[in-house]
Amino acid sequence: NAGVTQTPKFRVLKTGQSMTLLCAQDMNHEYMYWYRQDPGMGLRLIHYSVGEGTTAKGEVPDGYNVSRLKKQNFLLGLESAAPSQTSVYFCASGSGGRGANVLTFGAGSRLTVL
Amino acid sequence: ELKVEQNPLFLSMQEGKNYTIYCNYSTTSDRLYWYRQDPGKSLESLFVLLSNGAVKQEGRLMASLDTKARLSTLHITAAVHDLSATYFCAVDVNYGGSQGNLIFGKGTKLSVKP
Repeated sequence: NAGVTQTPKFRVLKTGQSMTLLCAQDMNHEYMYWYRQDPGMGLRLIHYSVGEGTTAKGEVPDGYNVSRLKKQNFLLGLESAAPSQTSVYFCASGSGGRGANVLTFGAGSRLTVL
Repeated sequence: ELKVEQNPLFLSMQEGKNYTIYCNYSTTSDRLYWYRQDPGKSLESLFVLLSNGAVKQEGRLMASLDTKARLSTLHITAAVHDLSATYFCAVDVNYGGSQGNLIFGKGTKLSVKP
């Protein structure tokens, strides 16, 4: 059982380049999330989705776009990367709904923008 | 806007001592989560607290929730080195237009020394 898989795990970009991070989950979870983690800042929510075809902005959405065309996948795009987007990105999924929304996290993707 | 504050952000403890980490949040919610992160790793779920007065215990860790005070505590009893990690609390919104919004505190980096 893979859980939550993020690709790629590492990437180096030049300023202005674009890229997409892919998150895939095999737990049939409704909710999916993208967070970024920076030293001293904890995890900050970028975008999230409460179901296939839906997306919503989190705390720090600027400079990022997302899509949830299939329930199992949540894509995070950077159209024009900036050094301020150097970070570790975590994808997570949860069952949502009325009960506990315990998140399962991916292993993280380390992105460096030069 | 949902905000989650943890304190302290850094905690250096001696083995065998007790201490408490505090988590305050800014909006009505009865769903609070605690996660643990080891250096260079992803996050793992520790506790789920779903109602006022909820208390959960696992080994030397005990978490509680007071929804009226919008406060959760993570109490460490007789700390051991293996508890060294960063601990995060998280709160989610399960109603209205912000349903699914799940915000983390900045984390408490715990170091247990002999």
